[in-house]
Amino acid sequence: DADVTQTPRNRITKTGKRIMLECSQTKGHDRMYWYRQDPGLGLRLIYYSFDVKDINKGEISDGYSVSRQAQAKFSLSLESAIPNQTALYFCATSEVSGRGGAFFGQGTRLTVV
Amino acid sequence: SQQGEEDPQALSIQEGENATMNCSYKTSINNLQWYRQNSGRGLVHLILIRSNEREKHSGRLRVTLDTSKKSSSLLITASRAADTASYFCATAGQAGTALIFGKGTTLSVSS
Repeated sequence: DADVTQTPRNRITKTGKRIMLECSQTKGHDRMYWYRQDPGLGLRLIYYSFDVKDINKGEISDGYSVSRQAQAKFSLSLESAIPNQTALYFCATSEVSGRGGAFFGQGTRLTVV
Repeated sequence: SQQGEEDPQALSIQEGENATMNCSYKTSINNLQWYRQNSGRGLVHLILIRSNEREKHSGRLRVTLDTSKKSSSLLITASRAADTASYFCATAGQAGTALIFGKGTTLSVSS
């Protein structure tokens, strides 16, 4: 099993719909992140959480919300999807110490039509 | 805005040649990391260099860090076609700050 698992892997949804992307990890890491990737823009941070009771906004949090249900689970929601949220979304985890870097899921390709 | 900026945006070389990518950042860091991404897949951590280190090696990878210039470079020696990928630098600030990525360098190695 993958260390960081994202579901779904691909999703097409309609404008205005609510959608949730899920992430679970078996690394035992406290820190979890959601990024989106757009061509030519690299990875941009949406939200991050350093423990179960900690939620922080990233660079582009507008239009998104998150929930840290447990140490191993971190969900990203689009309350009312819009076409410019079409992107590749990645969940990642890391240790508090930062040693070993971050571990990434395989990504969720989201298309909003 | 993004912390790291890689240069060049794209790099094409022949197998056996060395590939050098640069990263500049804006604020003080705890460490700087390099990642690799094969097309459309998750990023894979390559190497981490701490702010008090100047150079680090891992196999064919060599990373340097110049905190006075707020810049880092990644050198891949004797490139192979399998090195074709996008490479990203990411910076970690002091405790309590998240990992911030740059826009990446796309490397193409032709045989």
